[in-house]
Amino acid sequence: GAVVSQHPSRVICKSGTSVKIECRSLDFQATTMFWYRQFPKQSLMLMATSNEGSKATYEQGVEKDKFLINHASLTLSTLTVTSAHPEDSSFYICSARDPGRVFTDTQYFGPGTRLTVL
Amino acid sequence: QKEVEQDPGPLSVPEGAIVSLNCTYSNSAFQYFMWYRQYSRKGPELLMYTYSSGNKEDGRFTAQVDKSSKYISLFIRDSQPSDSATYLCAMSAGYSSASKIIFGSGTRLSIRP
Repeated sequence: GAVVSQHPSRVICKSGTSVKIECRSLDFQATTMFWYRQFPKQSLMLMATSNEGSKATYEQGVEKDKFLINHASLTLSTLTVTSAHPEDSSFYICSARDPGRVFTDTQYFGPGTRLTVL
Repeated sequence: QKEVEQDPGPLSVPEGAIVSLNCTYSNSAFQYFMWYRQYSRKGPELLMYTYSSGNKEDGRFTAQVDKSSKYISLFIRDSQPSDSATYLCAMSAGYSSASKIIFGSGTRLSIRP
């Protein structure tokens, strides 16, 4: 299957700082990437859809000024959590569509980034 | 009412048993159905996908879709301890770049040696 990487895998930061998470598609070009967050024992909640070369589309209730998304190339999308607070602590997962595959609605997930805000 | 309902479990079965995992949904527009496996603190891994109704088999895994009942299932034969994970069903209405995948809440499965 297609490979998606995320960096860092784990980050601990102080309240008020900003954290950047990178998502890369390693063996395909992803015009669309997705950012999810997952709380313990809960399902994935879509935060935003990131389209290469254009602004991200945010889900209702997600603050776009707090969760900055940049999709500057076909293989890289970044999520920046600005002025992080303890309630932002979560597991953040990105995924990417591989447009070259027949089943174009398949999403391939990165390994996730665990953010802990102290 | 959630668009996709999935029993969170936990479900515990002995090694070698047949496991049945299920989801129901309310949106009749869903056409693509997927099952993901997620190990603790890892990203989800695509296991199976099907389009519309019918069965699909891949090794020990069989996915079933019954669109008339809005019900999908994943069967695991000869279950192994390594199958212990959370299983998420997922579905979407189309394959345009704007379509969203809706996930179930996940079922935690434990296979006892």
